[in-house]
Amino acid sequence: GENVEQHPSTLSVQEGDSAVIKCTYSDSASNYFPWYKQELGKRPQLIIDIRSNVGEKKDQRIAVTLNKTAKHFSLHITETQPEDSAVYFCAARSEGNNRLAFGKGNQVVVIP
Amino acid sequence: GAVVSQHPSWVICKSGTSVKIECRSLDFQATTMFWYRQFPKQSLMLMATSNEGSKATYEQGVEKDKFLINHASLTLSTLTVTSAHPEDSSFYICSASDSGIGRFETQYFGPGTRLLVL
Repeated sequence: GENVEQHPSTLSVQEGDSAVIKCTYSDSASNYFPWYKQELGKRPQLIIDIRSNVGEKKDQRIAVTLNKTAKHFSLHITETQPEDSAVYFCAARSEGNNRLAFGKGNQVVVIP
Repeated sequence: GAVVSQHPSWVICKSGTSVKIECRSLDFQATTMFWYRQFPKQSLMLMATSNEGSKATYEQGVEKDKFLINHASLTLSTLTVTSAHPEDSSFYICSASDSGIGRFETQYFGPGTRLLVL
């Protein structure tokens, strides 16, 4: 099955700087890659997703890039703010499979 | 749109009792719902996929007789933890896809249910 790895496990950034989280996946048939943000004790919330027919997607301060050849995708957060502090999970899904394989999560801490 | 609710939000029970958790899609129909378990500071572990009108598909290592899943309608799936024990204490989260048919289905998560078994 699909195996998703996420790096780094913890990331601290100064407010206003950029944060980048990288994920790799194993199944070349995976074609959908969502990113979720989870604050302590709350539900994971979808913040952005990308499908395999595009290489980049942007939504305000958040962007995701996908490299299908290398089988990795990254989340970019620019102009970080304290409210961006949370755990971020990447996931991948193969075509014909409705299950998501999640990475282990990345704790992002934005230092004011 | 795409709101998923869960009930109860937390429950404390004695060892040996059964606990039922409900997951509802409030503004869309969900042919497929998913049940996850999350331990502190860990990732989401998929337990089973719940399909409306058919039996759930369980992940390897998840006991189907212990974690009973029923998906009786397009807006409701239930997870029953039978004969709960302290090791079943966890954060249980459901998610629902807003389309039962199609190649791309976004999953929306419920707020989770925190279970503590004494």
